Amino acid sequence: AQSVSQHNHHVILSEAASLELGCNYSYGGTVNLFWYVQYPGQHLQLLLKYFSGDPLVKGIKGFEAEFIKSKFSFNLRKPSVQWSDTAEYFCAVNNYYGNNRLAFGKGNQVVVIP
Amino acid sequence: GAGVSQSPSNKVTEKGKDVELRCDPISGHTALYWYRQRLGQGLEFLIYFQGNSAPDKSGLPSDRFSAERTGESVSTLTIQRTQQEDSAVYLCASGGTGGSYEQYFGPGTRLTVT
Repeated sequence: AQSVSQHNHHVILSEAASLELGCNYSYGGTVNLFWYVQYPGQHLQLLLKYFSGDPLVKGIKGFEAEFIKSKFSFNLRKPSVQWSDTAEYFCAVNNYYGNNRLAFGKGNQVVVIP
Repeated sequence: GAGVSQSPSNKVTEKGKDVELRCDPISGHTALYWYRQRLGQGLEFLIYFQGNSAPDKSGLPSDRFSAERTGESVSTLTIQRTQQEDSAVYLCASGGTGGSYEQYFGPGTRLTVT
């Protein structure tokens, strides 16, 4: 079974600081990788996704993530955060040949201080 | 509407009662998923429907949980004889077919069992 690890569950940083959230998964086959975001009081939204091709993917709101196959990682980054980036971030993986069910990490609660 | 909708948004019930949660997927989406998110945890897969195929029930935690979907329309998740550990946010997602299609999440139903 797939599992997804996210570290540093609570992250507090100031505006303009850089953000990097780690995501590691345990599945050796072909996978699709996702980062979802949940802003306060809102539902889960897709931030970015990786299916194939360029391992550096760019998403909405200035976020990007890099797939490193050898490290089974898909870390999320943003060079300069804003207060509006305060949210919970979830990494998710699915088995490309499976039923598309997503395995989620436990999430990172990110608080950006103005 | 254009998105996935769920009802009720909140449900408080007494231990031992049955509850029914509803999900309206995005029109045309063949796949429908139910997930559960307990406090401080990531999302855990419960059940998956794909068109008229037999559902994948492998994530259901006990036989008190069941779900139905008629064709490619509404789905209901039923929890019988609720227990306090059933308290969680129940999320529904819909999507297209294939391993590369993203899932679109509804706002969830927050279930509290007292």
